[in-house]
Amino acid sequence: NAGVTQTPKFQVLKTGQSMTLQCAQDMNHNSMYWYRQDPGMGLRLIYYSASEGTTDKGEVPNGYNVSRLNKREFSLRLESAAPSQTSVYFCASSTLGGNTEAFFGQGTRLTVV
Amino acid sequence: RKEVEQDPGPFNVPEGATVAFNCTYSNSASQSFFWYRQDCRKEPKLLMSVYSSGNEDGRFTAQLNRASQYISLLIRDSKLSDSATYLCVVNIGAGGTSYGKLTFGQGTILTVHP
Repeated sequence: NAGVTQTPKFQVLKTGQSMTLQCAQDMNHNSMYWYRQDPGMGLRLIYYSASEGTTDKGEVPNGYNVSRLNKREFSLRLESAAPSQTSVYFCASSTLGGNTEAFFGQGTRLTVV
Repeated sequence: RKEVEQDPGPFNVPEGATVAFNCTYSNSASQSFFWYRQDCRKEPKLLMSVYSSGNEDGRFTAQLNRASQYISLLIRDSKLSDSATYLCVVNIGAGGTSYGKLTFGQGTILTVHP
């Protein structure tokens, strides 16, 4: 039972570098989400995808782009990393647009120096 | 104003105590409500959904007040293993079952001590 798989688990980037965080789910869920979590801030929604082919901005989309590659995969790209993007990133998925349980990946700890 | 607000705590209680967490949400169009639990350096996991009539799962009771836009979680007979961060989550839907976005409160830290 893989559930939601995120890669990589850890990453250190230099300011200005780019990278893509990968997320895949095997539960046939329609909706997928990317969050970032900073101390004392809870989880803040970056982007979400209600279904294959659609994406929408969340609370903190600046500096990020996303691609819903197919129903299983939803990637998050940092085009030019900044120290303010140092955070823990979580991908999640759910059925019915969030009206049921959301399942999370194990997170990616990203440090931008 | 944040869409979902919680008292961040921390709450520090002895084993066996009863503790209550509160959460308010600002969007009256919110459709569904949850409590998640997050252990240190782990991903959040669903603790329980919150229904309009209130619901109970063992030592945990969740309540929803739509008129006041308020959600609560009550933990009775606290155990050491209940120590975690509790996250209030609201699905701020676009209507019907089309789609929605899951919005989290900042979390309430609970520590249960012997």
